[in-house]
Parts: sequence; structure tokens; C-alpha cells
Amino acid sequence: KAGVTQTPRYLIKTRGQQVTLSCSPISGHRSVSWYQQTPGQGLQFLFEYFSETQRNKGNFPGRFSGRQFSNSRSEMNVSTLELGDSALYLCASSLTDYYTEAFFGQGTRLTVV
Amino acid sequence: EDQVTQSPEALRLQEGESSSLNCSYTVSGLRGLFWYRQDPGKGPEFLFTLYSAGEEKEKERLKATLTKKESFLHITAPKPEDSATYLCAVQPSGDSGGGADGLTFGKGTHLIIQP
Repeated sequence: KAGVTQTPRYLIKTRGQQVTLSCSPISGHRSVSWYQQTPGQGLQFLFEYFSETQRNKGNFPGRFSGRQFSNSRSEMNVSTLELGDSALYLCASSLTDYYTEAFFGQGTRLTVV
Repeated sequence: EDQVTQSPEALRLQEGESSSLNCSYTVSGLRGLFWYRQDPGKGPEFLFTLYSAGEEKEKERLKATLTKKESFLHITAPKPEDSATYLCAVQPSGDSGGGADGLTFGKGTHLIIQP
């Protein structure tokens, strides 16, 4: 059974640019959540999507956005990149929006220079 | 505000030396408490979910327990391959109007098992 797939694995972007990250959940899972991981702040919740609708959002600026497609695949976008956006971005897949077990992908390592 | 505090931040053990990791939490109603293992450069690997005080779950050398204010991850006779960062997270049962609230994570315990 395939796990959660995130692409790309690594990205280097310049300050001011925008970036789109992709996440394919486990087959049959309909909920996708996104997290940012940094050495200083640890893992922080960005947002959660279920059935193409954003159900919850963490405390991040509007530059961070996402969407979910009918096949449950999800993308997140960060506009006007700042140096502080450098982080590991993790996607988690759950069976439903009332999840009890969330399975993470390997993450996308974003470096902003 | 939901909070999760893990201790110790780092722990170095000899192979076979059992110990426990602590996760203290403050949450407005607990839907679930999660333990994950994370290896360097990889995403967190799911270990356990605990739902109510008194619950215990085991997997190989790991055993997780839950009280109303904290959870423990007990590691029995660890091996070098158990070296990793162990993360604790809580999911509140808050009234978000539908959908799961995001997990609130602790900073983790970095565990090193020396041969």
C-alpha cells in the first residue's frame, strides 16, 4: 500500500518568489493536512482539507494557501517568499476529517535564499 | 491555548537500558494523543493513538500510557535502531464547526541509543 507522496523533495527559491508543493494522500484517504517544521518552532499546523473544502486553518499569514482536488490530492502555495519560510513542509493523510490517525509524507524541504 | 511539553529534550542511553519519555499536555478537551517517531530528514512515522486516561498501547519495545495530564512512552531494552526523535501531539475536541482541529505537537525528545 503506497504511502503519502510529496513532491518535490527539495526546492530552492529566491525571496519574493512563490512556490507550490504537492501531496498525494494514501489511497482512500480523504483528509489532507499540512504542517511546517522548523528547528525553532517544531511542527506547526497550517491547514486541513476534506472533500475539497478547507476545514481548519492554523495561525499563519494569508501568503500560505492551499487547495484539494476531487481525487483528494492537495497543493499548498506560498506567495512572496520570505527567508523565514525556509522549512520542511509536511503533508499528513487521514481517512476522514474526524481523523484518529494521520500518516505523514517525507516532506518537501524548502530553502529560501 | 493548547500546549504540549516533552521532556527530556535529549536522552542518551546504553543499549538495553530502559527509560521513559514524558509528554505533558494542556488542552481544552482531548480527542486523542499521538506518538510519532521521526528520523533525520524524514516525515514522522505514526506509532500510537491514545484516547482516554488509563489507556495503554504496546508495539515491540515501546509502550505508551495516558493520564489526564500526561503521557509516557516507555522504551524497554532499547536497541540502536530505536534512536530517533519521538514526538507527542494532541488533537483537541474543540468546537471547530466541523473537521478535525490540527495536531499540536511538542518539540520532541531526541533519543540516542549507544551500542
